[in-house]
Amino acid sequence: AQKITQTQPGMFVQEKEAVTLDCTYDTSDQSYGLFWYKQPSSGEMIFLIYQGSYDEQNATEGRYSLNFQKARKSANLVISASQLGDSAMYFCAMREGLVNDKVIFGPGTSLSVIP
Amino acid sequence: GAVVSQHPSRVICKSGTSVKIECRSLDFQATTMFWYRQFPKQSLMLMATSNEGSKATYEQGVEKDKFLINHASLTLSTLTVTSAHPEDSSFYICSARFGGSYNEQFFGPGTRLTVL
Repeated sequence: AQKITQTQPGMFVQEKEAVTLDCTYDTSDQSYGLFWYKQPSSGEMIFLIYQGSYDEQNATEGRYSLNFQKARKSANLVISASQLGDSAMYFCAMREGLVNDKVIFGPGTSLSVIP
Repeated sequence: GAVVSQHPSRVICKSGTSVKIECRSLDFQATTMFWYRQFPKQSLMLMATSNEGSKATYEQGVEKDKFLINHASLTLSTLTVTSAHPEDSSFYICSARFGGSYNEQFFGPGTRLTVL
């Protein structure tokens, strides 16, 4: 069964506007971690932001913020003030538990920033 | 930040040959390393998890005799694709974490394998 769902295969956003990339997850663990990674066309995986299941505050890192709604099992990424360099694939990922190190990835969303 | 390197970055080989890909953590000791495979326009699929000094744990559907993983030291893990075939052509990415880095995995730049 799909553990992580990203329902938007492709998204467009105007430069300087904000954009929300959706992510929902499925787990029965109480302890887990959620990640967002960016993958530009070069292929490298760039870590953006992390949210722990016990974190009460939504994570923020510069222009990136994570809208964590635990009851709904969603962890949407919000990018504010989009830049042309933000055009890339974005992957939501999850690590279940504290001792299980595996991180599994969602199918990804392709974001294109329009000048 | 923590740096993970991969070598080679790109390899082309003939069908039937074996290819070894190295993954190194340059400035930290990686207690755990992961190997992922990514087909074009698809997500990363976890192949196996390796801990230093022990056998790798393979994900369901991944042939352990086909994809040999050796995590010989705290800074080096290798993936050997044995008797490669064109369907093994893919982008292989390793990642590493150290004890306490629960909130991040550090990824290598990836290796693009093309089997002719």
